[in-house]
Amino acid sequence: SQQGEEDPQALSIQEGENATMNCSYKTSINNLQWYRQNSGRGLVHLILIRSNEREKHSGRLRVTLDTSKKSSSLLITASRAADTASYFCATDPNTGGFKTIFGAGTRLFVKA
Amino acid sequence: GAGVSQTPSNKVTEKGKYVELRCDPISGHTALYWYRQSLGQGPEFLIYFQGTGAADDSGLPNDRFFAVRPEGSVSTLKIQRTERGDSAVYLCASSRGDTQYFGPGTRLTVL
Repeated sequence: SQQGEEDPQALSIQEGENATMNCSYKTSINNLQWYRQNSGRGLVHLILIRSNEREKHSGRLRVTLDTSKKSSSLLITASRAADTASYFCATDPNTGGFKTIFGAGTRLFVKA
Repeated sequence: GAGVSQTPSNKVTEKGKYVELRCDPISGHTALYWYRQSLGQGPEFLIYFQGTGAADDSGLPNDRFFAVRPEGSVSTLKIQRTERGDSAVYLCASSRGDTQYFGPGTRLTVL
């Protein structure tokens, strides 16, 4: 079963607006990553945040992690039509195995 | 440099047949993962290799699924007696650290 749960499931915004996606997970983790996927094929890594970090930035991306609430958020600022894609959070559970657990994703549509 | 490649890109087979899906990881990446992804869902972990050995195969759904990586590079995911429910996109990823680099996937359709 999937550990990560993203919300919203779908998000439609105008170009230039900010997009915020949230992810919740169930067990303690080593790190959390966000990936982007276009057209249902290969995923592209966006950003990684470790369990001892609270916030991280990369270009127009800002990720926060709250381990007490077992949640993370991804903010895309000044969105562009090219940001239209599905976004997934993925966790590396601290369970002794090597699984990476993905959520069901948020489908973002940015209207030009 | 070259990314992760997967062949074939599409595979259509009949129920009950055997299929093999191939993954060529990025050169030098010791870790290799297989996932499958159904429409509208996130990737579901199947198996993880570190070098030649399967360090975690807890995601394989049943004994019809098997994967090998005999020389620590190319990996093959094998599915026996395919069922319609096996239809999905099978994704491979490789890594040298925490970041996984994904291939484009193989879309498997079982008729």
